Amino acid sequence: GAGVSQSPRYKVAKRGQDVALRCDPISGHVSLFWYQQALGQGPEFLTYFQNEAQLDKSGLPSDRFFAERPEGSVSTLKIQRTQQEDSAVYLCASRAGYNEQFFGPGTRLTVL
Amino acid sequence: AQSVTQLDSQVPVFEEAPVELRCNYSSSVSVYLFWYVQYPNQGLQLLLKYLSGSTLVKGINGFEAEFNKSQTSFHLRKPSVHISDTAEYFCAVTASGGSYIPTFGRGTSLIVHP
Repeated sequence: GAGVSQSPRYKVAKRGQDVALRCDPISGHVSLFWYQQALGQGPEFLTYFQNEAQLDKSGLPSDRFFAERPEGSVSTLKIQRTQQEDSAVYLCASRAGYNEQFFGPGTRLTVL
Repeated sequence: AQSVTQLDSQVPVFEEAPVELRCNYSSSVSVYLFWYVQYPNQGLQLLLKYLSGSTLVKGINGFEAEFNKSQTSFHLRKPSVHISDTAEYFCAVTASGGSYIPTFGRGTSLIVHP
C-alpha cells in the first residue's frame, strides 16, 4: 500500500510569508506526528494527533506554528510569518498502534 | 521524561568491516527502543525495534541490536558493512504508557569507504 506522503517536497519562502505543509498518512493510521529536523540533527517533536484530536502540541516553537487534522486523516502544518530560523526539514509520521512510526519523505523549507 | 544519547556523531569504516553504533538512554519507566535509518533526502525507515522479550533484536539489512537494561544501552551492530549502508542512523526511545511519543537522538553518520 501507499506510504506516508508529504507535499510540497521543497518550499522556498521569503521571510514573513505564510506556508502550509501537507501530510497524507497511511490509511487507517490513528496517530499522526509532526517533527522538525534541523541540519545535522535528529527529529524534534512538534505535535501529535490521535484521529482529529490534537493531544500534544508542546513542541511547537511559537504561536506562529499551527497544525490541524480536521477529519482524522490528512494533516496540515501551517507556519505564519516565517523566519529564517524556521528553515528545516519538516517530517510527518503516522502510526497504527503504539510502537513503529512510518515516516514521509519530508518537506524541506528554506526561508530567505 | 526520557532522553537518548548517541555518542558518536560520525563513524567511518571500511567496506566489509564490522561496525557498532552506540546509543544510551535514560528513563524512569520501562521503554521501547528503536533504530531508524535515513538516506539522503528521504524520511526515516525502521531498522529494528525492542518492545519486550529477547534482548537481542535482529532487523533488516543484516543489522542487529542488543538491549542492555543495566547499562541503559541499545547499541546497533553489523558484522560486515556495505557501501550502501552509508546513511544517518537514529536511535529513539519511547516510554511505555501515556501517548508513546518517541524521543530521537542526534544521529550517527555512518560512512563506509571502499
